[in-house]
Amino acid sequence: GAVVSQHPSRVICKSGTSVKIECRSLDFQATTMFWYRQFPKQSLMLMATSNEGSKATYEQGVEKDKFLINHASLTLSTLTVTSAHPEDSSFYICSAKERQGGRTNYGYTFGSGTRLTVV
Amino acid sequence: GDSVTQMEGPVTLSEEAFLTINCTYTATGYPSLFWYVQYPGEGLQLLLKATKADDKGSNKGFEATYRKETTSFHLEKGSVQVSDSAVYFCALHGGSTLGRLYFGRGTQLTVWP
Repeated sequence: GAVVSQHPSRVICKSGTSVKIECRSLDFQATTMFWYRQFPKQSLMLMATSNEGSKATYEQGVEKDKFLINHASLTLSTLTVTSAHPEDSSFYICSAKERQGGRTNYGYTFGSGTRLTVV
Repeated sequence: GDSVTQMEGPVTLSEEAFLTINCTYTATGYPSLFWYVQYPGEGLQLLLKATKADDKGSNKGFEATYRKETTSFHLEKGSVQVSDSAVYFCALHGGSTLGRLYFGRGTQLTVWP
């Protein structure tokens, strides 16, 4: 089945530095990538939606300059947390929407998540 | 707008007990409905789905029936196992071209031997 490889799985960084999280779709084309943030014991909060080759659409309250999303190809999307602070510590998950036969179906494939800790 | 309301947990059961996790939804169109499972420290895995009214999704002993009249998609399993311990999320796709999923809050299930 479809697989999304998300790296790194865990990262610890110092306050003020930037961290890049990658999501790669294996064996399929991800026309749309969703980036979520999950706080402990809470649901997934959609941060932004990106389509290949175009700018990401951010949800209300999400700082686009802080959470940079790039979706340069149909198999790779990246989330960069810039100038990270301890409050950015969280679990980040990507989800790729698969396109089949020219008509988008409901094939969502999730990455395994990245645990970010900012110290 | 579209939304999902899921029963709050945590839910604690003994092995072989019957499980129900309630999920109701609000949608303007004809949504597709999903249950996802998240094991500790991992991403989400699709457990089952239903794309139209009266459909029943099933997988690994779990079942959920898409009930349009009650706008519900309750998750059930007749006999849970310790390995079922995880967080379960109900979700809907409203059918728009935007394609985003709307998630419930998640329900933590713990099964004791």
